[in-house]
Amino acid sequence: QVQLQQWGAGLLKPSETLSLTCAVYGEPLSGYYWTWIRQPPGKGLEWIGEMNDSGSSKYNPSLKSRVTMLLDTSKNQFSLNLSSVTAADTALYFCAKFEYGGPIDSWGQGTLVTVSS
Amino acid sequence: QSLLTQPPSVSGAPGQRVTISCTGSSSNIGTGYDVHWYQQLPGTAPKLLIYVNNNRPSGVPDRFSGSRSATSASLAISGLQAEDAADYYCQSYDSSLSGWVFGGGTKLTVL
Repeated sequence: QVQLQQWGAGLLKPSETLSLTCAVYGEPLSGYYWTWIRQPPGKGLEWIGEMNDSGSSKYNPSLKSRVTMLLDTSKNQFSLNLSSVTAADTALYFCAKFEYGGPIDSWGQGTLVTVSS
Repeated sequence: QSLLTQPPSVSGAPGQRVTISCTGSSSNIGTGYDVHWYQQLPGTAPKLLIYVNNNRPSGVPDRFSGSRSATSASLAISGLQAEDAADYYCQSYDSSLSGWVFGGGTKLTVL
């Protein structure tokens, strides 16, 4: 059973860069897609982007200019960087896994990131 | 404004049946992309409930069922139980976004 464990800074000031890491246990990164999803307080889920180990990555157009996702196969981890954050980026961020054409079948525990001056 | 539209809330008494709709468009469900459903309890990660329109993962009771039509999908929950109180989200792929899109979520209240 795959497990995803995520961590990162929970409190940021406006204009700083959000950085989160997700460690994967029980499965290699190869052969799967890895994604980040966020959920503002009291609101719904928003897809941030996805990538796989072949170098393929896609980002939500609304965030594309500020998002970077990386895979580290040596550590079996993947990461999210979101630059120039504002209060609108305050959300619960989830890392997750899916197979091509399939649903999201594994989730991290979530990291609450608050952007406040 | 989500590309998939769900009712903000539904309710039902224990034992009753409720349905949650997910209305899309020609850029997502209408193109034939599959729909998945998730259940989310407060403060926790979503849990996969229905995948590829009408399939249940192992461990999900058969009280939960899914269906899909031209540009919409539905989640049905029969024999409502108190533990079913949660938020429910539909998900599909959207060609205009070139990525995943979620419905706005539906809060189920068990009366």
